Amino acid sequence: GQNIDQPTEMTATEGAIVQINCTYQTSGFNGLFWYQQHAGEAPTFLSYNVLDGLEEKGRFSSFLSRSKGYSYLLLKELQMKDSASYLCAVRDSNYQLIWGAGTKLIIKP
Amino acid sequence: IAGITQAPTSQILAAGRRMTLRCTQDMRHNAMYWYRQDLGLGLRLIHYSNTAGTTGKGEVPDGYSVSRANTDDFPLTLASAVPSQTSVYFCASSTQGGTGELFFGEGSRLTVL
Repeated sequence: GQNIDQPTEMTATEGAIVQINCTYQTSGFNGLFWYQQHAGEAPTFLSYNVLDGLEEKGRFSSFLSRSKGYSYLLLKELQMKDSASYLCAVRDSNYQLIWGAGTKLIIKP
Repeated sequence: IAGITQAPTSQILAAGRRMTLRCTQDMRHNAMYWYRQDLGLGLRLIHYSNTAGTTGKGEVPDGYSVSRANTDDFPLTLASAVPSQTSVYFCASSTQGGTGELFFGEGSRLTVL
């Protein structure tokens, strides 16, 4: 079967750095997405990786290793507004998205 | 403001009733999707449509139906609601080029009693 694994919950301190990991086993690979979802709101797109390596976008970076079936989302200079769930999703060989259950990130002052 | 509009935002209905969740987008995206989101589970695809006039079944289609008469509208119908369909429902759309990222509506919270 296909599955995406990511930690259920993480806690970090304002101003610090946090890394959220995602491992996947899917039928084929056509890209990996990270979305942010604040409580009670819709998911919003953060990043997309299709080739190995690091993609940087401001305070957020996303890394992909296709050979290891592994990605991480790195958040720097954490702010209270970064408290949210972070969803990892992989597009499989049929171009369907397989979603992880999400990682709830709690930021403490 | 361009985007996706869902209605209603919240609804409580009795088991056995018929319910249609509406979804309209003004971004001229070809592809549209309906997901349900339940606590502790990832987003699960109910139905999708790659273009107007075509629809397909996702991971959890039973008890739901969709139609795609035009590019903008993609309603989801529960023919006879059951308590297990209590969930938050998200409509989304995407282009079929570029990254194909999804744009989501604000969600419809449905409670079936």
